[in-house]
Amino acid sequence: GENVEQHPSTLSVQEGDSAVIKCTYSDSASNYFPWYKQELGKRPQLIIDIRSNVGEKKDQRIAVTLNKTAKHFSLHITETQPEDSAVYFCAAILTGTASKLTFGTGTRLQVTL
Amino acid sequence: EAQVTQNPRYLITVTGKKLTVTCSQNMNHEYMSWYRQDPGLGLRQIYYSMNVEVTDKGDVPEGYKVSRKEKRNFPLILESPSPNQTSLYFCASRFRGQGYEQYFGPGTRLTVT
Repeated sequence: GENVEQHPSTLSVQEGDSAVIKCTYSDSASNYFPWYKQELGKRPQLIIDIRSNVGEKKDQRIAVTLNKTAKHFSLHITETQPEDSAVYFCAAILTGTASKLTFGTGTRLQVTL
Repeated sequence: EAQVTQNPRYLITVTGKKLTVTCSQNMNHEYMSWYRQDPGLGLRQIYYSMNVEVTDKGDVPEGYKVSRKEKRNFPLILESPSPNQTSLYFCASRFRGQGYEQYFGPGTRLTVT
């Protein structure tokens, strides 16, 4: 089955700096890679996703890049703000099958003033 | 309002006392699943269901049961809870063939003493 590794487990940045979270996956057939944000005491919510036919996707201050050859994808947050502080999870799945969404172990991002 | 609901939100119980955590979604999603979230381990899937009367084990199914008699409901049953099942539990649902955005319930914090 799929295995997703996520690094780092914790990340502290100053407000206004950029943050990068990296994930690697094991199943080369996986073709959909979402990122979820979980604020303290809340449920995980989808913030951005990317499919394997795209190398990069951007939505305002967040972007995701995908390298299929190396089997890794990354979340980039620019101009970080205190409200970006949360736990971020990456995930991978092969769409169109009964396969489950496999999550990474999460990155706790702390944006300091 | 499209949503996934869970009940109860918080539960403290004793070892061996059977309990059920309910999950309901109003989005007509085929796919529903249960996760447990533990520090440093991310979101691990317990069971999932691809449709009514179709369920299968996830990564950590031991000690849990599920049923899917109706499309909207997917209860999680702990027949004889043990302290190692103390965790934060999330129900989630999504369509099988569109978008693949997974919607999470608000979570149930379970403590087994």
